[in-house]
Amino acid sequence: AQSVTQPDIHITVSEGASLELRCNYSYGATPYLFWYVQSPGQGLQLLLKYFSGDTLVQGIKGFEAEFKRSQSSFNLRKPSVHWSDAAEYFCAVGAGGLTGGGNKLTFGTGTQLKVEL
Amino acid sequence: SQTIHQWPATLVQPVGSPLSLECTVEGTSNPNLYWYRQAAGRGLQLLFYSVGIGQISSEVPQNLSASRPQDRQFILSSKKLLLSDSGFYLCAWSPPGGRDGYTFGSGTRLTVV
Repeated sequence: AQSVTQPDIHITVSEGASLELRCNYSYGATPYLFWYVQSPGQGLQLLLKYFSGDTLVQGIKGFEAEFKRSQSSFNLRKPSVHWSDAAEYFCAVGAGGLTGGGNKLTFGTGTQLKVEL
Repeated sequence: SQTIHQWPATLVQPVGSPLSLECTVEGTSNPNLYWYRQAAGRGLQLLFYSVGIGQISSEVPQNLSASRPQDRQFILSSKKLLLSDSGFYLCAWSPPGGRDGYTFGSGTRLTVV
């Protein structure tokens, strides 16, 4: 079964500083990987995704993530954080539709990002 | 373009009362549909998913049920709510294949009192 670990529950960074949110996954084959962002009381918005090809993927809002198979990681990065980036971030892993399992995604428990002005 | 609608946004229900949350998708056909529950500090828990009309898979035993009476409609129900059913419920859809991830609705905050 697939699983996701986000080891940091809370992270605080200063506005303008760089950001890296960690994500480690467990899956037997090449996974489909996603990062989502959630503002308070809202649904989740897709930031970026990886399923094959270039291991460095670009997303919306200036975010990027790098897939490292050897480390089973898919860390999210942003070179300069804005106050509006304060939110909760979720990493997710999926097995795709070939298994017949309905493209189920398994989510991490989330990292709450606080941005200090 | 595709859109997903989920309602109501907020709901306060007494213990033992019934529940019906509705989710509809527009602009696509034969979507995969999902219900997740999010409890504070516990991430997202998949409750049900559906790959077609009348096809429901349950991920965890619980007090809830789901139905898909139409291709783009997904309903979450309970006959008698428990206090433990409180939480933030999210509906999502995806195209077949898995590469596109999910698109989520805006969620329903359910408080059982």
